[in-house]
Amino acid sequence: NAGVMQNPRHLVRRRGQEARLRCSPMKGHSHVYWYRQLPEEGLKFMVYLQKENIIDESGMPKERFSAEFPKEGPSILRIQQVVRGDSAAYFCATQGQGGTEAFFGQGTRLTVV
Amino acid sequence: ELKVEQNPLFLSMQEGKNYTIYCNYSTTSDRLYWYRQDPGKSLESLFVLLSNGAVKQEGRLMASLDTKARLSTLHITAAVHDLSATYFCAGERGNYQLIWGAGTKLIIKP
Repeated sequence: NAGVMQNPRHLVRRRGQEARLRCSPMKGHSHVYWYRQLPEEGLKFMVYLQKENIIDESGMPKERFSAEFPKEGPSILRIQQVVRGDSAAYFCATQGQGGTEAFFGQGTRLTVV
Repeated sequence: ELKVEQNPLFLSMQEGKNYTIYCNYSTTSDRLYWYRQDPGKSLESLFVLLSNGAVKQEGRLMASLDTKARLSTLHITAAVHDLSATYFCAGERGNYQLIWGAGTKLIIKP
């Protein structure tokens, strides 16, 4: 059973480009969380999704950021028109039904140049 | 609204010493989680505490939960350098959403 897979591991984008970050949950997991982490800081919650539904997006900036978790395929965190301040590590974590411990992916390190 | 506070946020200690990290939470939390993060790496699950009085131990780490006091502790016994990492606790609110503490950066000096 493969763990939580995130790709790419490293992503470099120029200012104004789009960044797409993917998260494939563990088998059987239908809950996905996205977090942002700046160096030497804690995790900042962004969005919580279940299959085809956004449950809580209170931590996600209202502009330029969007997330989805379709019925088939990975969850996608999309950042449009990236700015330097978007540079961070983005982690996803997934959970099974009924609430269990969350397992984290290895993260995507986004660098905006 | 569930809020989770950890303290201390930074801890430097000598090998061989004991210490405790505290995790306070503001309202009822169904479960309490502890995770470890090494620099530049992802988070690794350490413990899941399900009920009042729960105590779990793994090697030199022991976690406990007091739901009445809304407090969880992570106790380190006879610390070794390999335990240097950032430790996070997380509570759980409705919809199984995890609410995270800010993390405790632990440095263990030889």
